[in-house]
Amino acid sequence: EDQVTQSPEALRLQEGESSSLNCSYTVSGLRGLFWYRQDPGKGPEFLFTLYSAGEEKEKERLKATLTKKESFLHITAPKPEDSATYLCAVRSTGNQFYFGTGTSLTVIP
Amino acid sequence: NAGVTQTPKFRILKIGQSMTLQCTQDMNHNYMYWYRQDPGMGLKLIYYSVGAGITDKGEVPNGYNVSRSTTEDFPLRLELAAPSQTSVYFCATLNRGETQYFGPGTRLLVL
Repeated sequence: EDQVTQSPEALRLQEGESSSLNCSYTVSGLRGLFWYRQDPGKGPEFLFTLYSAGEEKEKERLKATLTKKESFLHITAPKPEDSATYLCAVRSTGNQFYFGTGTSLTVIP
Repeated sequence: NAGVTQTPKFRILKIGQSMTLQCTQDMNHNYMYWYRQDPGMGLKLIYYSVGAGITDKGEVPNGYNVSRSTTEDFPLRLELAAPSQTSVYFCATLNRGETQYFGPGTRLLVL
């Protein structure tokens, strides 16, 4: 069964305190792993797509990495505006997407 | 471009009532998706479509129906509303680069 698990559920960081979010997955055939940011009351916003183990992508203070069983979203020197829920999803060789329950990040000034 | 639009933004239904959640996109994307998001839970796929006239079930299709007569529109139909269908519903499209674009959501309360 295709499954995505994210940890931790919630994370509080001081401004400038770097950390990582984890997304572990089991999927019958990985077509892609996706990271999204979701602000309260809004739809998810696309951040990254990773396709194969060893791949890395960066955007501002965020860096996503992928292994055969998990992905990490590294946040370097976060700012209060990085506070949001970060969602991970996998796309199997079919056309379906499976989402994790998300990590709620709070960055304290 | 408006992107993905959803109507209504919020609706209260009585048990047993029916309604249609509207989703429209102006990006000419073939793939479209309907998700529901319950508090503290991830998004669950209800139905998806790979093009006009083609739809398929996702993880949680029971109690819902869809149709896709045009590329732009992908309405979601609730026939007999139940309290378990209280949720936030998101429509999304997928482009060739595999980026999903989400609408702002419809919050539904069934009492």
